[in-house]
Amino acid sequence: AQTVTQSQPEMSVQEAETVTLSCTYDTSESDYYLFWYKQPPSRQMILVIRQEAYKQQNATENRFSVNFQKAAKSFSLKISDSQLGDAAMYFCAYRSLKTSYDKVIFGPGTSLSVIP
Amino acid sequence: NAGVMQNPRHLVRRRGQEARLRCSPMKGHSHVYWYRQLPEEGLKFMVYLQKENIIDESGMPKERFSAEFPKEGPSILRIQQVVRGDSAAYFCASSPGHITDTQYFGPGTRLTVL
Repeated sequence: AQTVTQSQPEMSVQEAETVTLSCTYDTSESDYYLFWYKQPPSRQMILVIRQEAYKQQNATENRFSVNFQKAAKSFSLKISDSQLGDAAMYFCAYRSLKTSYDKVIFGPGTSLSVIP
Repeated sequence: NAGVMQNPRHLVRRRGQEARLRCSPMKGHSHVYWYRQLPEEGLKFMVYLQKENIIDESGMPKERFSAEFPKEGPSILRIQQVVRGDSAAYFCASSPGHITDTQYFGPGTRLTVL
C-alpha cells in the first residue's frame, strides 16, 4: 500500500524568506501524480501544485516550486518570498494512475507559520 | 462555473442521531469522492461514487455509514446513530472522470457530535 510521510509537523518562516517543506512517499508503482494542497484556517483544500511522475522537470507555480526526486521518493515544496497569506496546513498527497481512477492518499500535514 | 458545493458547512448532532451531508459536484463532473479529516490529521479516503454506483467503499466504516449518488441531485453521505468519534470534517471532491483529472475539493462539512 502507498504511504505519504511528512516529517515536519510544524514549520515557521520569516515574511519574504524561503521555506522548504519535506515529503516522502512509498510506492511500487511507476505512474502516479504527486500534489501539494494548502488548507488555510477556512479549511478549504486548495491545490497548490501537481507533479506527474513521468516528467523529470520540476513543477512550478509562481512562488511555489517542487523538488521531485523519483528514485529517492522525495517531493519537497519550496515557497519563495513567503507571504502572510501562506500560513496554513500543507498536505503532500499521492494518487496512483494504475487504474482508471484512484483515491488521493494524504500525508499528515505540516503547519506553516509566517512571521511578520 | 461554481465549485464543489457542500452543505451544511457545520452540523451539530447528539449521540444517536443521524447526520446527512450533501455534496454537489462541479458542473460536468460525474465522479465523487468523500474524505474524512479527524482532528490534527490528514484526509482519509472513504468512498468513491459515480452516478447511481458505488465504485470503491474500501475506506468506509463497516457499520452506520452509507453513501449514494443518485441520478438526480447531490451525493449524500449518511451517518446513522452518530457517536463522538464521528466528529470530524468531511470533504467531498469531484472530477470529470478521466484518469489524468485532478480532484477538486469542496469546503467541507464540520460535524460535531455532542
